[in-house]
Amino acid sequence: GAVVSQHPSRVICKSGTSVKIECRSLDFQATTMFWYRQFPKQSLMLMATSNEGSKATYEQGVEKDKFLINHASLTLSTLTVTSAHPEDSSFYICSAQSGGAQETQYFGPGTRLLVL
Amino acid sequence: AQSVAQPEDQVNVAEGNPLTVKCTYSVSGNPYLFWYVQYPNRGLQFLLKYITGDNLVKGSYGFEAEFNKSQTSFHLKKPSALVSDSALYFCAVMDTGRRALTFGSGTRLQVQP
Repeated sequence: GAVVSQHPSRVICKSGTSVKIECRSLDFQATTMFWYRQFPKQSLMLMATSNEGSKATYEQGVEKDKFLINHASLTLSTLTVTSAHPEDSSFYICSAQSGGAQETQYFGPGTRLLVL
Repeated sequence: AQSVAQPEDQVNVAEGNPLTVKCTYSVSGNPYLFWYVQYPNRGLQFLLKYITGDNLVKGSYGFEAEFNKSQTSFHLKKPSALVSDSALYFCAVMDTGRRALTFGSGTRLQVQP
């Protein structure tokens, strides 16, 4: 299967700081990337969808000014959590998809964010 | 709106026995269905998908799933469970317009030696 990486795998930051998470498709070009959030012992919730070269589409209830997404190339998308607060602590997972709707989404290993 | 239900929070099975993890879905139109597995503190690994064609889909690690349109189900199965299969399993349906996945609540599979 295709490989998607995320960096960092774990980050601890102080409240009020910003954190950037990178998502890369290593062996394929991802026309679309997705960002999910997972709370402990819960399912994944879609935060936003990003297409290369265009603005991300955010799900209802997700603050676009707080969770900045940039899909700069066909292999890289970044999620920046701005002015992080303890309630932003979570497991953030990206996925990447090439081609059309029939194509599989491949997931990164996730980034655990802890805001103190 | 589309949705996926996984009615069991946990499934326990003895090693070597067959396993089934249940999933039912609700969509308008033709469903694109997926199964993923998640190990602790890890991302999701793709197991298999149903887009069209044969109702029995074979995937990774010996898993298979049966698409049943009349029962709107997509249960995950394996003939002989391994201890290493113990993990969290997610069923998902794709919104073909947005291409986003809607996940079920997950089922924890515990395979006892």
